[in-house]
Amino acid sequence: GENVEQHPSTLSVQEGDSAVIKCTYSDSASNYFPWYKQELGKGPQLIIDIRSNVGEKKDQRIAVTLNKTAKHFSLHITETQPEDSAVYFCAASIRGEYGNKLVFGAGTILRVKS
Amino acid sequence: EAQVTQNPRYLITVTGKKLTVTCSQNMNHEYMSWYRQDPGLGLRQIYYSMNVEVTDKGDVPEGYKVSRKEKRNFPLILESPSPNQTSLYFCASSLGEGGLNEQFFGPGTRLTVL
Repeated sequence: GENVEQHPSTLSVQEGDSAVIKCTYSDSASNYFPWYKQELGKGPQLIIDIRSNVGEKKDQRIAVTLNKTAKHFSLHITETQPEDSAVYFCAASIRGEYGNKLVFGAGTILRVKS
Repeated sequence: EAQVTQNPRYLITVTGKKLTVTCSQNMNHEYMSWYRQDPGLGLRQIYYSMNVEVTDKGDVPEGYKVSRKEKRNFPLILESPSPNQTSLYFCASSLGEGGLNEQFFGPGTRLTVL
């Protein structure tokens, strides 16, 4: 079945620096790639997503890039702030019996040191 | 306020004692899903539902049951809980296919089975 690998598992950066989280997927038919942020004690929340017909998408300080040939996609956070500290999950869509569903990566704990 | 609610938020129980975790959404979403979150494993889908009376197994359905009799509710049932079901559980909903659209997550239910 579909497998999504996410690296690194933990990442510490200084406030103001950039952070990059990378994911690879196995199913070449995957066509939707969201990123979720989970703050302590809360459920995950979508922060940005990208579909297979686009190579890059940006929203203020966050951006996602997609390389369909290599089957990997990345999250870039610039000018990191303490409130960016959280767990980040990537995901890729796969086709199930009744429609598409998501397979998630294992998560990355991001710590922004002030 | 648009939201997904889960109850209870915390539960400690013993092996074999049947329990139900409720999930409700007020956004008129067709798609609902249950995930479990375990350290190092990310979010794994237990069951999902495309609409009323339409449910399907996710990646880790063993030991769980669900029902979708009403659009807004999607309870998770553990008929005979075991210690390996100790986990953090999340319910989610989306408008349209969960694998292709933003999923809205509940706050989570932390379950401990002794």
